[in-house]
Amino acid sequence: QKEVEQDPGPLSVPEGAIVSLNCTYSNSAFQYFMWYRQYSRKGPELLMYTYSSGNKEDGRFTAQVDKSSKYISLFIRDSQPSDSATYLCAMSATGNNRLAFGKGNQVVVIP
Amino acid sequence: GAVVSQHPSWVICKSGTSVKIECRSLDFQATTMFWYRQFPKQSLMLMATSNEGSKATYEQGVEKDKFLINHASLTLSTLTVTSAHPEDSSFYICSATTGITDTQYFGPGTRLTVL
Repeated sequence: QKEVEQDPGPLSVPEGAIVSLNCTYSNSAFQYFMWYRQYSRKGPELLMYTYSSGNKEDGRFTAQVDKSSKYISLFIRDSQPSDSATYLCAMSATGNNRLAFGKGNQVVVIP
Repeated sequence: GAVVSQHPSWVICKSGTSVKIECRSLDFQATTMFWYRQFPKQSLMLMATSNEGSKATYEQGVEKDKFLINHASLTLSTLTVTSAHPEDSSFYICSATTGITDTQYFGPGTRLTVL
């Protein structure tokens, strides 16, 4: 079993829809959870960063972490064509800078 | 804040030559920098971790003599691909962490093409 599982998609949604992305993981030591957005031929850009369980909201983006289920989610409200990108989940354990990445989920928002 | 730059953004070189890629943290001091390689439509593959003033720690299967990493200061790390071959063609991305949290901030990447 991989440390982090993420359905690579692609996921196509109409403009204005809610995009729902998720990852599952197996390592209970993970405490830091991140979502990165990566446009084609660019480096990943940090979108959301969450420590331990709970929800975090930033504009149209909401990140949720459920450590009991080892499940994290990212929601994008009112999706825009500019949200079309690959979204990578990543996580790490306390005191360990190494990130475990999901495969990335390609999202296409259709105008 | 937390901006990381890479230079060059793309490079084409002949087989057998060496190529140096720079990674800089522009507005923070990076205690640790990481180098990744990414193939098309795949996730990032960690190549090595470097701490300022120390030797880099390479991942299993990554040739340290081929991918030379130098982390000379808290804002600069370099990756040199020595005697490059076409199979080294890839997208190389660096990241940096402040050490305060475990968040990594990524550079824009360097696309290397070896002819």
